[in-house]
Amino acid sequence: NAGVTQTPKFRILKIGQSMTLQCTQDMNHNYMYWYRQDPGMGLKLIYYSVGAGITDKGEVPNGYNVSRSTTEDFPLRLELAAPSQTSVYFCASSYSTRETQYFGPGTRLLVL
Amino acid sequence: GENVEQHPSTLSVQEGDSAVIKCTYSDSASNYFPWYKQELGKGPQLIIDIRSNVGEKKDQRIAVTLNKTAKHFSLHITETQPEDSAVYFCAASASWGKLQFGAGTQVVVTP
Repeated sequence: NAGVTQTPKFRILKIGQSMTLQCTQDMNHNYMYWYRQDPGMGLKLIYYSVGAGITDKGEVPNGYNVSRSTTEDFPLRLELAAPSQTSVYFCASSYSTRETQYFGPGTRLLVL
Repeated sequence: GENVEQHPSTLSVQEGDSAVIKCTYSDSASNYFPWYKQELGKGPQLIIDIRSNVGEKKDQRIAVTLNKTAKHFSLHITETQPEDSAVYFCAASASWGKLQFGAGTQVVVTP
């Protein structure tokens, strides 16, 4: 199993551009999450999904959108990128509530 | 909502010594407390977790304790080794799985 994979590893965006961060898991997990990690700030939940077709906002959803058309994929869309969205983005998945969340390797995003 | 505070932010220990990281949480309904280790350039990885019906859990050199009355939990690493150098995050969950993470502790183990 590859686990949780994320692409791209690194990206530079100009202010106002848009992009999609890809996340795929091959563990047949129903639950998937997107976090952002800023230096010294821990992980903040952006959006999460409890299954295909079901998504909900986390702690910091503004400026982002998600979709979940399949169990495996959970892309994160940035519209009109802003410098405040410079961060490292992690996707995670879990089998159920109260179980281990498995994290991908992260996408480092720089908005200039 | 849940608020998790983690201390210290950095911890330097000599190889072979013990390391202790402490976290406090605010929501008395929290009942799941995982600890994650993040190595440079990688995603966090679960190293141990504890649920509210247990006061202590141990896995080789790693142990976690939970005091529900005081709303705090701690990670203990004994006989530290250079490969223990990493950032460690505590987290707490009160609802279906929305973890609230602490800010992290940078642990440096010096030979």
